[in-house]
Parts: sequence; C-alpha cells; structure tokens
Amino acid sequence: KAGVTQTPRYLIKTRGQQVTLSCSPISGHRSVSWYQQTPGQGLQFLFEYFSETQRNKGNFPGRFSGRQFSNSRSEMNVSTLELGDSALYLCASSLEKTGFSNEQFFGPGTRLTVL
Amino acid sequence: GENVEQHPSTLSVQEGDSAVIKCTYSDSASNYFPWYKQELGKRPQLIIDIRSNVGEKKDQRIAVTLNKTAKHFSLHITETQPEDSAVYFCAAYLSGTYKYIFGTGTRLKVLA
Repeated sequence: KAGVTQTPRYLIKTRGQQVTLSCSPISGHRSVSWYQQTPGQGLQFLFEYFSETQRNKGNFPGRFSGRQFSNSRSEMNVSTLELGDSALYLCASSLEKTGFSNEQFFGPGTRLTVL
Repeated sequence: GENVEQHPSTLSVQEGDSAVIKCTYSDSASNYFPWYKQELGKRPQLIIDIRSNVGEKKDQRIAVTLNKTAKHFSLHITETQPEDSAVYFCAAYLSGTYKYIFGTGTRLKVLA
C-alpha cells in the first residue's frame, strides 16, 4: 500500500496570504489528523476528520481550518498568514476500528515558510 | 488542560549503553501511549506502543513501561547503536476524543 502523501512538500508565502495544504491518507484509512511541528514545541494537534466530519480541534485560531472529502483526502487552509505560522505541517491517517487500534501513519509533511 | 511532559529534551549516550526517556500525562483517562521516532528530515514513525491495561511491553532492544497510578510512562532502549540517534516523541491518547497529545520530544545522540 502506498503511504500517506502530502502536497506540496515545500511552500514559501508572505504575510497576509493564505495557503492550502493537501493530504492523501493510506487507502482504506478514514481518519486524518493534522499537526503543526515547530522546534521545541513538538507536535501540536490541529484537528481530526473522519467521514468528512471534524471530530476534534486543537487550540489554534480560526485562521486554521480544514475539511475532508468523501474519498478521505483532506485539506487544511491557513488564512492571513503570520510569521509564526512557519512550521512543518504533518498529517497522519489511521484505520478506524472498534477497540483500541489507533496507530497513526504520518505523511512526509509540508514545510511552510512565511516571509 | 491536557498535557504531556517529556524529559530529558536532549540525551547523549555512548554506543552500547542504555537510554531512558520519561513522559508524564495529565488526563488519567488516557488509554493508549505510542512512541514515535523521527530521524532528521523524515516523518515520525511508530516504534512501540502500550495500552492502559498493560504495564510493560518489549520489542527486541526497545521496551515501554506504564505506571497508571503515577500517570507516567517510559521508553527504554538497550544496547544503543548510532542508528538510534533521532528525536523521540511520546504521546497520550484517550479513546473517543480522537486526539493525541504529544510530548515536546527528546533528541537522542548515540556516540560511537
């Protein structure tokens, strides 16, 4: 099976612009989570989607939004970019099963630089 | 709010020695605790996990222990090798919240 893919891999934007990142989960995985990774802060949870529904959201401003499509692909959007939004954005997919199996598989990430 | 504290932030060991990384979580209802390894420029990858109904799990040179009373879990790597050098992240998950809380990471350096 192909792994989780993310596009684009690198992105340079200027303050005030908006950006859309894309994530394609492993085939059959219906849960997609997004994280922001910055040095010293680890992975900060942005949101999680399952069957086109957002089931949880992290503590990020409303400029950060996302969605999931019927084929489980997901996008996240950041509007009015700020310098502090520069980070590696990771998505992860998991196979939703009853019980405990929640292993997440990560994509390679999108490196966003805001100038 | 939910929180996972991870220590130390950096750890240097000699090749062949053991390394221990510790995490403490705040939500006592958390029931799944994975550990991820992230090599430079690569994606995080699961190396071992433990569920709340188990106290210890081992996979070759890697082991994880869980103390639910203390809300504390640890990663143990024995006979460390240079290829173990990476950043390690712990996480805590509560079923039904669909949310992982990650620690801030430990940069492990194994010196040859």
